[in-house]
Amino acid sequence: QKEVEQDPGPLSVPEGAIVSLNCTYSNSAFQYFMWYRQYSRKGPELLMYTYSSGNKEDGRFTAQVDKSSKYISLFIRDSQPSDSATYLCAMSAVWNTGNQFYFGTGTSLTVIP
Amino acid sequence: GAVVSQHPSWVICKSGTSVKIECRSLDFQATTMFWYRQFPKQSLMLMATSNEGSKATYEQGVEKDKFLINHASLTLSTLTVTSAHPEDSSFYICSARNRGGGQPQHFGDGTRLSIL
Repeated sequence: QKEVEQDPGPLSVPEGAIVSLNCTYSNSAFQYFMWYRQYSRKGPELLMYTYSSGNKEDGRFTAQVDKSSKYISLFIRDSQPSDSATYLCAMSAVWNTGNQFYFGTGTSLTVIP
Repeated sequence: GAVVSQHPSWVICKSGTSVKIECRSLDFQATTMFWYRQFPKQSLMLMATSNEGSKATYEQGVEKDKFLINHASLTLSTLTVTSAHPEDSSFYICSARNRGGGQPQHFGDGTRLSIL
């Protein structure tokens, strides 16, 4: 079983829709959760990161963590064509600078004008 | 802030050539940098963890003599693909974390390597 599972999609939505992206994980030690956005032929760009359970909001983006279910989500409100990208979740058990993150496979999102 | 620069962005070379890729943290110091490989429509595969002033730690299945890593300063790590072959063609991405902590990884824009 992979450490992190993420539906690869592809996901296609009309402009203005609410998008829900999700990851599940198996390691209950994970405490730090990140979402990255990756455009084609570019490196991943950090969108949001959270610690432990709860919600965090930043503009049109909301990250949600449910540690009891080992489930994290990223919601995008009022989606725009510029949101079309691959979204990667990542997580880590500790916050030491030398500690690696575990990544999902990424979900490909297309927002249709 | 938190900018990671990777160079070159794209390289094409003949089989048997060695290729060096640089990863620099521009506005912070990084004692640790990570090197990933990514195939089309697949996730990031961690190749090795680069530690400033010491040997890199390689993931299982990654040949350390094939992929040489040097982390000579707190802002620069290099990955050299030695005697590259077509099967080494891929997208290589580095990331770095601020030595001061409190921040997750920030990624470079990747290097597309094509071996003919």
